[in-house]
Amino acid sequence: EIVMTQTPLSSPVTLGQPASISCRSSHSLVHSNGNTYLSWLQQRPGLPPRVLIYHVSKRFSGVPDRFSGSGAGTDFTLKISRVEAEDVGLYYCMQATQFPYTFGQGTNLEIK
Amino acid sequence: DVHLVESGGGLAQPGGSLRLSCAASGFSITDNYMNWARQAPGKRPEWVSVLYSGGGASHAESVEGRFTSSRDTSKNTVYLQMDSLRVEDTAVYYCVQNSGWSGLDYWGQGILVTVSS
Repeated sequence: EIVMTQTPLSSPVTLGQPASISCRSSHSLVHSNGNTYLSWLQQRPGLPPRVLIYHVSKRFSGVPDRFSGSGAGTDFTLKISRVEAEDVGLYYCMQATQFPYTFGQGTNLEIK
Repeated sequence: DVHLVESGGGLAQPGGSLRLSCAASGFSITDNYMNWARQAPGKRPEWVSVLYSGGGASHAESVEGRFTSSRDTSKNTVYLQMDSLRVEDTAVYYCVQNSGWSGLDYWGQGILVTVSS
């Protein structure tokens, strides 16, 4: 099983300022087909998770361009260029390169 | 639009059974991999199972031999039969469609399963 580790676990941010979350996997996430199945999901309070970023850096349909993803191999980053109030919630990295799909512990984004 | 509605959750005793249903609309379940994921209170999500477009299935080690995934193509509905339930199976269960992007692309609203005596 691939273990996903996120840092930080909590991120207090000022509105309008940037935020960054890191994720490290225990094994390379490069699939035999050449794709890297690393995604970022957002979970607002009381709601199901929703996909923000897939394949490391591609924004899912309807996701604002203030969200961006980067990285390769085992190290990945989610960046929010300017945090808005609606961005409050939990953020998870997830790998779907091999079963079982696994998630990071989650990072709680909160407003200072 | 992809729409997933789970039902069938509730309270079960340890050792008991429940069957979850996921009614899908906006697409055909035979065209996509369909997954179940769960999230215990205050915990990260956990992948539970995948039902492949051809009808086969795979399950997480934690539920292997106790949970079974199936589908009714005439109703465009997938099921999760949960037997020999344990207290640690308590969670919100989500039906999740794989459209070929992240692996777990579209999530239902979830249904609570509580296992307690």
